[in-house]
Formats: sequence, structure tokens, C-alpha cells
Amino acid sequence: EVQLVESGGGLVQPGGSLRLSCVVSGFTFSNYWMSWVRQAPGKGLEWVANIKHDGSGKYYADSVKGRFTISRDNAKNSLYLQMNSLRVEDTATYYCARDHGVAAAGNDYWGQGTLVTVSS
Amino acid sequence: DIQMTQSPSSLSASVGDRVTITCRASQNIKTYLNWYQEKPGKAPKLLIYASSSLQSGVPSRFSGSGSGTDFTLTISSLQPEDFATYYCQQSFSTYTFGQGTKLEIK
Repeated sequence: EVQLVESGGGLVQPGGSLRLSCVVSGFTFSNYWMSWVRQAPGKGLEWVANIKHDGSGKYYADSVKGRFTISRDNAKNSLYLQMNSLRVEDTATYYCARDHGVAAAGNDYWGQGTLVTVSS
Repeated sequence: DIQMTQSPSSLSASVGDRVTITCRASQNIKTYLNWYQEKPGKAPKLLIYASSSLQSGVPSRFSGSGSGTDFTLTISSLQPEDFATYYCQQSFSTYTFGQGTKLEIK
């Protein structure tokens, strides 16, 4: 069974940093691109970043470019999102998602999300 | 950046109805268009990828069509469990989601 479990969310002040983690199981992690997607309270979905299967390519939404860093450790079946210079508008539930095995076919498995609240 | 616009933003329908949701891209995205269903408190679920391919395990009452800039998601006969919010997503150039369509019970 495919499972993705996020952790690391919490309350942080504006300008602060937070590191999210996602541990996966049930599939060969090193074969898949992975994404982070977020959803602000009461709002729609926003893609944040994704990373190639071997970590050699990383792509970001303009809203987080230069502040967030996506990374992975294939030996630990883990995906990460380092979030720096956090803003109130970064408040959201952050989902870890697997990119489909078919190229550019969206995200076929998702975690349950971890809530990040940026507030003073 | 590619912008995705869904219509309508909300929709009321009854069990058994045929429902269509549309999604328009700001530029040609060929068939790089995916559809998701989201229910409160749950992670989104992939329904359709590559415009018209049904994701494994998704009921056949869901179908997708379109290419270029205009796409549709159709539910042929609404079931009670289909009342949810639906999102389109382009995957031609990174990813962008539409703003969502909330499907409510009439």
C-alpha cells in the first residue's frame, strides 16, 4: 500500500523558518518525481515545488522561489521542504504528493497534509 | 505562467444528473490536463490524467475531454459521493491548478 506521511508543520513567526518532511512507503521512491502542494484555509490548491527522481532537477512556483528549497534522500525514502523567510500568506496545509508514473500526468498519491501557520 | 480558469465556480445538481465542468488554459497545453476531486478534510484524488485517461480505480461515470486550451470533466450520472470540489491542473509547464468548482446537492 502506498503511503505518504508528512510532518514538521506548526506555528512560526513571520520571517521564520520551518522544515517539512515526508516519509513514503509502498513504492520505489527513487523512481518517482515528487511534489509539494499547499492549500490555504478555505482556498484552492497551489503547486509549490517538485523534484526529479534523482534530485538533479528542482522546480518552484514563483510565489516561493528563492525562499523554499525542495530536497530528497532516496536512501531514507524521504522528501523535504525547507521554508525560509516565511510570510503570513504561506499559511496553509502542505501536502506531499507523488508525481504520476506517466510523465506530466499530475499527482497520483497524496499524504494527509501538515498545517503550517505563520503568525505573530 | 499558464493560468487555468474553471467554470462554473459552483454548481447545484441532483443525484442522477449529468454534470459538466469546464477548464480553460491561457495558452495551448496540448492534452496535459488533469482533474482532481477533493472532499473536506481529505487529500485530493486524481480522477483523470492526460485530458481523457481514467485513473485506476475511478468509476467510469467520470470522463474527460479536450485539447489545446479547452477541456471538460463530465460526470454521467451523479452519485451521492460525488458532491465535492473539483480542480483542473495543467502539467504542460510545471503545474498550475484551476480555482476549483464546488459541486453541491440541489
